[in-house]
Amino acid sequence: GAGVSQSPRYKVAKRGQDVALRCDPISGHVSLFWYQQALGQGPEFLTYFQNEAQLDKSGLPSDRFFAERPEGSVSTLKIQRTQQEDSAVYLCASSPGTGLSIVFGQGTRLTVV
Amino acid sequence: AQSVTQLDSQVPVFEEAPVELRCNYSSSVSVYLFWYVQYPNQGLQLLLKYLSGSTLVKGINGFEAEFNKSQTSFHLRKPSVHISDTAEYFCAVIRGGSQGNLIFGKGTKLSVKP
Repeated sequence: GAGVSQSPRYKVAKRGQDVALRCDPISGHVSLFWYQQALGQGPEFLTYFQNEAQLDKSGLPSDRFFAERPEGSVSTLKIQRTQQEDSAVYLCASSPGTGLSIVFGQGTRLTVV
Repeated sequence: AQSVTQLDSQVPVFEEAPVELRCNYSSSVSVYLFWYVQYPNQGLQLLLKYLSGSTLVKGINGFEAEFNKSQTSFHLRKPSVHISDTAEYFCAVIRGGSQGNLIFGKGTKLSVKP
């Protein structure tokens, strides 16, 4: 597609519920990144894929967070047993190679109640 | 570890006035530097980036930034702002030789008043 597409745009989850956030990167982009942006903060790195390989997951805050990109295109960020502190905007980004030409999606705003 | 400091959390300014948004980074290795803009309920849009070469970088919407290695700064400037420039601005770095994940500052909220 023309840009990075994320769905849903907004998600309200009850505490303890599992959620799945989808990212559709720009066609042909090798690299895919997930970031978490808490209210009033800058985005923070979560994880990085090169094609289907998850090369860095050092930013995932707990083992409740899991990301996959099985065919090297669409990626899903899954959060199990959501907590209130998981409330944030989750940004997906893709680039042809490294992060020097990164393009961001519009984000998914997750609210845990 | 890398860090990025945006010295002002909020900058109010009148329309057509000049503005400077400050950014300092900490690094002992080479870095690549970026400024992004975020409008309400939107993702991040790249304003400009410094990779190498001329230290004065021009970006979209009339913005420019100057890389100063000795002061480890990358301040963003615009000579005359418009109401439509009201947004949050983020400075970010990538460490040279890394896989490319961005490290962001906390952001500066620019409010342009008529």
